[in-house]
Order: sequence, then structure tokens, then C-alpha cells
Amino acid sequence: SQQGEEDPQALSIQEGENATMNCSYKTSINNLQWYRQNSGRGLVHLILIRSNEREKHSGRLRVTLDTSKKSSSLLITASRAADTASYFCATDPLGGKLIFGQGTELSVKP
Amino acid sequence: EAEVAQSPRYKITEKSQAVAFWCDPISGHATLYWYRQILGQGPELLVQFQDESVVDDSQLPKDRFSAERLKGVDSTLKIQPAELGDSAMYLCASSLTRSTGGTQYFGPGTRLLVL
Repeated sequence: SQQGEEDPQALSIQEGENATMNCSYKTSINNLQWYRQNSGRGLVHLILIRSNEREKHSGRLRVTLDTSKKSSSLLITASRAADTASYFCATDPLGGKLIFGQGTELSVKP
Repeated sequence: EAEVAQSPRYKITEKSQAVAFWCDPISGHATLYWYRQILGQGPELLVQFQDESVVDDSQLPKDRFSAERLKGVDSTLKIQPAELGDSAMYLCASSLTRSTGGTQYFGPGTRLLVL
């Protein structure tokens, strides 16, 4: 079963634009993580935000977490063609067992 | 930078055959995970090891799937017999922490096609 639902399922933007992806989940969590997956490859960890944090930055990434709404968003600023990938949110409701969403497929056109 | 190794990268087999996948986690990582990812979906956990012990295999189809991590280091996931519906990407991940929700480091995956 997958707890996270991501929106949109697919997103196409021009290089230089910002990309925003949203994730909603159902149960209380310890933390929420975002991962990137290039086509046909493994997942790469991007950022982790704990349940007591509201916002976190890492380079061009900004993640927000609203535990009252059980939702998170990932913002990629000044996107590049190399950002083209699938992005997954993963929640940790039961300790150590990550539950992944369906993913958002991002396409950044040069 | 240390990485999780998996082999083979691709496997084509016929249904009813046996297949095996191998994973070598990052050195020192006590926790190892096997995930299955169907095309267009997120990964789903099949089994989680803490050292050599299974701590979660609730989603592992035990009639045909088995996993072991005998010395608490590398791990093997086996499917016997393979079915058409097993076609998917099989991902291995490891994490350093034994506590909740640590960062997981993924290998490149094994893409399985069952004909």
C-alpha cells in the first residue's frame, strides 16, 4: 500500500522556471523524505524534513511540511534540463519503513 | 563515495524459472532493504534486514520469494518460480541508522523481465 499521493503526476516546464510538486499522506509521521530517480536508475536522496520542522532548504531545493494538512511540497528553483527525473516523497510512519508515493515525472525542456 | 552495488543490472527469464538478485550495501550499514518497483509507481518494500535478521517481510510473497543476509553484509533475493507479474525493477537500499526513518541509499536496481 502506498500512503503518499503526489500531484501532479507529470509536469513539463522550460529551463529556468520553477517546479513545484506536492505530496499528501494519511497517517502521522516521524519525517518525510524526497528522492529523485533518473530514468531506469536507482533513487537518490534529496532532502529529509522532520515532523517538527516546517521548511528546509538545500541548494535550489525548498521543502515545506504542513503536518496539520498532512502535506508537503518540493520546490526546485531555476530548473535545469538535468533536473528531468521522477520525484518521490516517502513517509516514515512506523519507524524505519519508508512508504513511497507514486511520484511526479518532471520534464525540463532546454 | 561508497555506493550500494547490485547485480545483475538486467535479467530476462521465462516464467517458472528461478532468478536471483545480489546486493552489497554500503560498508557499515546495518539495515538493508529490498524494494520492488513496478513501472510508473513508487517502490514498495519487500523485506527489511537488521544485520542478518529479518525485521519486516510482511509484503514478501513467501510462496515464491525468499531473501537472506547470512553474514549481515551482502544479501540475495530469490524468486522461484518467476511469474509474468514479477516483471519490475528490484531495488536494494541500505541505511546506517537503526533508528526510525534514516536516509536510505539505493543501488542502481535490477530490471527483471519475465517472458
